[in-house]
This record gives sequence, structure tokens and C-alpha cells, in this order.
Amino acid sequence: AQKVTQAQTEISVVEKEDVTLDCVYETRDTTYYLFWYKQPPSGELVFLIRRNSFDEQNEISGRYSWNFQKSTSSFNFTITASQVVDSAVYFCALSENNAGNMLTFGGGTRLMVKP
Amino acid sequence: DVKVTQSSRYLVKRTGEKVFLECVQDMDHENMFWYRQDPGLGLRLIYFSYDVKMKEKGDIPEGYSVSREKKERFSLILESASTNQTSMYLCASTLGGGVYNEQFFGPGTRLTVL
Repeated sequence: AQKVTQAQTEISVVEKEDVTLDCVYETRDTTYYLFWYKQPPSGELVFLIRRNSFDEQNEISGRYSWNFQKSTSSFNFTITASQVVDSAVYFCALSENNAGNMLTFGGGTRLMVKP
Repeated sequence: DVKVTQSSRYLVKRTGEKVFLECVQDMDHENMFWYRQDPGLGLRLIYFSYDVKMKEKGDIPEGYSVSREKKERFSLILESASTNQTSMYLCASTLGGGVYNEQFFGPGTRLTVL
């Protein structure tokens, strides 16, 4: 069965520090998609990125970057030069090809960025 | 601007009451989902629907039912609320046809059952 593990339940950093959020997944499917979502204090989850299992290229979007490694079943998320507005709960999620549109979420990592 | 709305942000109910949580999306999405969010457990799928009048059980359907009479609306029903159903409830929707489609979420309903 599919599973997503976010071992870090809470991280606290000072503004401008770099921070990496870990995500490890388990799946038997060869075709799958990985997602990251951000949940700010307002509560609404916001989609950040999607990556399919055949594309291991790392991605960078501004201060955000993602490192996908199939060999270690990991899809880690790095925020460079963190800002207070990055404070949120971040969720990693997995969607398998044979599971319809269902997402399996990790437990989430609460990131607190202090000024 | 795409939107998923939920009927209430905060709700307080008594044990044994019947509770209705409503979700509406304006994106003409085929698929809709109900999750509950608890600290450390992430989001767990309660039910989902891929078409009007269709429903599928998720990981934790016990104690819940759903209704989808119109494409844009998906209701979660707690037949007899219990204290262990105190949680944050999140509704989401997505286009059908591909597992790569991201889900769009509503703001959540924080339900407290006393």
C-alpha cells in the first residue's frame, strides 16, 4: 500500500536561513505523481508542485526547489533564504496511477520562520 | 479565479446531533473529496465522488456518509456526531481524467463535538 512519511513534524528557523523539508514515499506502482502543498494559517491548502515518476529532474521556482530521487524514494523540498511568510504547514502527497485521483498525504511539517 | 467554498469555517455541535458539511466548487470538476485533518496524521480521505450520485469510500468512512446530487456540490453527513469526530474537515475538487491533476481545496471547517 502507498505511504508518505514526513519525519519532521516541526521545524523552526530564523529568517534568511535555508531549510529542507523531507518526504519519503512508498509505492508499488511504477507510474505515480508526487505533490507538495502549503497550508498557511488561513487553512486552505495551496498546490506548489507536481512531479511524475519518470521525471527526476530537479526543479527550481524562485526560492523554492525540489529534489526527487527515485533511488531513495524521496521528494525533498528546500526553501532558500526563508521568510516569515513561508511559515505554514507543508504536506507531501502521492497519487498512484491505479488509484484514481486519490491522494495519500504525509503527516505534514510545520515550518516556523522567526524574524 | 477557481474556488472551493465550504459552508462554515467553525461549527460546534453536541454529541448525537446530525451534522451537514457543505462544499461547493465552481470549476465544473468531476471529482470531489472530503478529508479530515488531525495533527500528526495529515489529511485522511473520508469519501470521494467522481460523478453525480456516485461515491466511493476512502480510508476512514466509518461514521460518515456523503451526498452528491449536483456536480458542483458535495455534502458530508455525520449521522450521529461523536466527540472523536472533532476535527478539521477539508473539501477538495479536481478535474477527472488523470491522476496528475492537482486538487483544489476549500478553507476547511473546524468542527467541535461536545
